[in-house]
Amino acid sequence: AQTVTQSQPEMSVQEAETVTLSCTYDTSESDYYLFWYKQPPSRQMILVIRQEAYKQQNATENRFSVNFQKAAKSFSLKISDSQLGDAAMYFCAYRSARNSGGSNYKLTFGKGTLLTVNP
Amino acid sequence: DTGVSQDPRHKITKRGQNVTFRCDPISEHNRLYWYRQTLGQGPEFLTYFQNEAQLEKSRLLSDRFSAERPKGSFSTLEIQRTEQGDSAMYLCASSGTTGRIYEQYFGPGTRLTVT
Repeated sequence: AQTVTQSQPEMSVQEAETVTLSCTYDTSESDYYLFWYKQPPSRQMILVIRQEAYKQQNATENRFSVNFQKAAKSFSLKISDSQLGDAAMYFCAYRSARNSGGSNYKLTFGKGTLLTVNP
Repeated sequence: DTGVSQDPRHKITKRGQNVTFRCDPISEHNRLYWYRQTLGQGPEFLTYFQNEAQLEKSRLLSDRFSAERPKGSFSTLEIQRTEQGDSAMYLCASSGTTGRIYEQYFGPGTRLTVT
């Protein structure tokens, strides 16, 4: 079974600064997807960024980028030019790339990192 | 695209009562998922539908839980004889069969409090 570990329960960053959230995972599969989701307080979960394991290039979405280290099974999220609206719980998630069998479709989440942005 | 919607957003019930939650997925999505999120934890998978067929159930889904997706559209999650341990946020997500089929889009959740 796959597991996802987020070792930082809480992080804080000054507005306009850069912060990196850590995520490691354990799997025996070679092909999979990794995601970072953002969950603002009392609001729904939003997909921030995705990474296909077969791609060597790190994904980037505006101020959000990842550092995907497949051999190390590490998938960190970097937020540049942090804004007050970035304050939220961030979850790292894993999904198998196999498209057969319902259990392969589920997302496995870490426990999350609570990001505070200080003005 | 109106997004995934869930109803109700909040439910308070007494132990032993039955509750039912509804999820409306993104209209063109044929895959629907239920997750449960307790305080301080990430969401945990409960069950998965492809169209109207329930193809996977987690061990977390005890006999008191039942989910349906009639006609492959909206889904309901019913909890019978609720217990205090059922208090959690119940999240619904959906995904499609074209493009980035591996991406799941979440609804706002139903927060259940069992007193």
